[in-house]
Amino acid sequence: QSVLTQPPSVSGAPGQRVSISCTGSSSNIGAGYDVHWYQHLPGTAPKLLIYNNRNRPSGVPDRFSGSKSGTSASLAITGLQAEDEADYYCQSFDSSLTFHLVFGGGTKLTVL
Amino acid sequence: QVQLVESGGGVVQPGRSLRLSCAASGFTFSSYGMHWVRQAPGKGLEWVAVISYDGNNKYYADSVKGRFTISRDNFKNTLYLQMDSLRAEDTAVYFCAKDPGSGYCNIASCSLTYFDFWGQGTLATVSS
Repeated sequence: QSVLTQPPSVSGAPGQRVSISCTGSSSNIGAGYDVHWYQHLPGTAPKLLIYNNRNRPSGVPDRFSGSKSGTSASLAITGLQAEDEADYYCQSFDSSLTFHLVFGGGTKLTVL
Repeated sequence: QVQLVESGGGVVQPGRSLRLSCAASGFTFSSYGMHWVRQAPGKGLEWVAVISYDGNNKYYADSVKGRFTISRDNFKNTLYLQMDSLRAEDTAVYFCAKDPGSGYCNIASCSLTYFDFWGQGTLATVSS
């Protein structure tokens, strides 16, 4: 299983707000390492949504926001749109044993 | 605009080799670190390897260390992944991804790493 834990699925109606959690430990998020978020529609290139916990690359709508506290991080999406239906992954760095870059298991967002 | 196009995937028997390529355009390839990330069928993303902008620094996930080799040709703007001694569990879509920095990886610099652009991936299937 993944080093970072995400809920397998979340859902919401158009216009609503949803939040996706990413829970780590003292060797990754809790150690102060930044969290980054990606959106992935299967069969396409993953897209960077949030970097360094809360920053949006140019072109990403401000409906997407990120936060981090303690050993967890969250991605919030407001004003849900049908095009937001995708898989979402968090990513960070883990310093335990041989250090490496780690992902969450992914969360499937369904727009009802 | 940044474009990353992977190729080289296919079906290969266990124990055999496969070489993946990633053609880059739209940015100064020789200035940035590059990564390979994979996704097994029905699974999440797994980081595989990173190479620095100049090719002198390479780091691998434990799951592929000693079997996979990442390399780059800055004249051809191309990233490679040589996969040897392949196993069934290496079956995955392999993505190349650009690092916003140099790609030099020690505990200080690698901890800042993320992936700002990705390709669409190429499927490698290891099966007898």
